[in-house]
Amino acid sequence: KQEVTQIPAALSVPEGENLVLNCSFTDSAIYNLQWFRQDPGKGLTSLLLIQSSQREQTSGRLNASLDKSSGRSTLYIAASQPGDSATYLCAVDDNDMRFGAGTRLTVKP
Amino acid sequence: DAGVIQSPRHEVTEMGQEVTLRCKPISGHNSLFWYRQTMMRGLELLIYFNNNVPIDDSGMPEDRFSAKMPNASFSTLKIQPSEPRDSAVYFCASSLVGPPGGYTFGSGTRLTVV
Repeated sequence: KQEVTQIPAALSVPEGENLVLNCSFTDSAIYNLQWFRQDPGKGLTSLLLIQSSQREQTSGRLNASLDKSSGRSTLYIAASQPGDSATYLCAVDDNDMRFGAGTRLTVKP
Repeated sequence: DAGVIQSPRHEVTEMGQEVTLRCKPISGHNSLFWYRQTMMRGLELLIYFNNNVPIDDSGMPEDRFSAKMPNASFSTLKIQPSEPRDSAVYFCASSLVGPPGGYTFGSGTRLTVV
């Protein structure tokens, strides 16, 4: 059974810092990997989707990488802002989508 | 497209009552997923459908939980009888099998059983 792990569980940084969130998964036979953002009390907003054949995807200040062979993905956030404060969830699709527990990010002004 | 639509947004019910959660997937999507989110357990997949057929319901916690998808545009998750430990946020998501893939989530239903 696929297991998804996210490190760290929580992260607090000052505004303007670049940061990296990590995601690892146990079964490399995946179709794709998706990063989501969840604000408190809200639903999940898709940030980036990486196909299994791709190495990375970029959207604005966000860049997600995928190394399927090693079972790892990273989400890079450049020039962090207080508005980036949220929980970031990594999910892998290997026929159904399994989620990590998330990284709770706080960006301090 | 209005996205994945869930109703109700909030539900408060008494223990022992029947609860029905509803979901309308994105038009054209052929897979539908029900998740439950709690602080203790995070996001758990309960059941998913492909072309309206239940494929994997191994995540359904007990026989008190049941899900149906009578057509491509509607699904229900029913809890009967409800218990306080069922209190959680229930999310529905839909996707289109095949590239590019990716899931779209509804806003969730916050269920409180008292």
